[in-house]
Amino acid sequence: SQKIEQNSEALNIQEGKTATLTCNYTNYSPAYLQWYRQDPGRGPVFLLLIRENEKEKRKERLKVTFDTTLKQSLFHITASQPADSATYLCASYNNNDMRFGAGTRLTVKP
Amino acid sequence: DAGVIQSPRHEVTEMGQEVTLRCKPISGHDYLFWYRQTMMRGLELLIYFNNNVPIDDSGMPEDRFSAKMPNASFSTLKIQPSEPRDSAVYFCASSWGGMAGNTIYFGEGSWLTVV
Repeated sequence: SQKIEQNSEALNIQEGKTATLTCNYTNYSPAYLQWYRQDPGRGPVFLLLIRENEKEKRKERLKVTFDTTLKQSLFHITASQPADSATYLCASYNNNDMRFGAGTRLTVKP
Repeated sequence: DAGVIQSPRHEVTEMGQEVTLRCKPISGHDYLFWYRQTMMRGLELLIYFNNNVPIDDSGMPEDRFSAKMPNASFSTLKIQPSEPRDSAVYFCASSWGGMAGNTIYFGEGSWLTVV
């Protein structure tokens, strides 16, 4: 069956370091991958989209990669700040089917 | 724009009661989605509409759930009768152009507790 998984439930890092979150998919080939940020008690907020023919996308301190060989997307936050603490969700789209990962809760400590 | 507006934000109800959740999408968006989020199952798509017409309701868990979109600016998700396992956060979301490569804008959610 088709699955999208975010390996780490939680990630703790020190302020200023780069946070790297992983999203893996199995048994399908998504046309797009998206990353969302969700704060406690709030709805998810769109951050970045990357297409299957793109290797990398950047937006300010954010970078996302899409490796169709490894069936994986990596989401990086450089120079992390305590304000980056949140849950990050990846989502895949393929054939009118959009699936979300369970999310990784990132905590950036001062 | 005010974004996607959902009501109520919190609802506590007794098992067997009817629950109605409401959503106002972003003006001009032609797609509306209802999602449910739980710790166990994460974020799941229940149903989505295009131009007020239901397109895919395969995610609706059972006949106790129903959704309507009488016009472009309003949608409801109804649970009748409600059960404790329906306790979750229900998100409404909207987009222009559907899921394929477009940004989906989520509301703040309706937190439902069925006791």
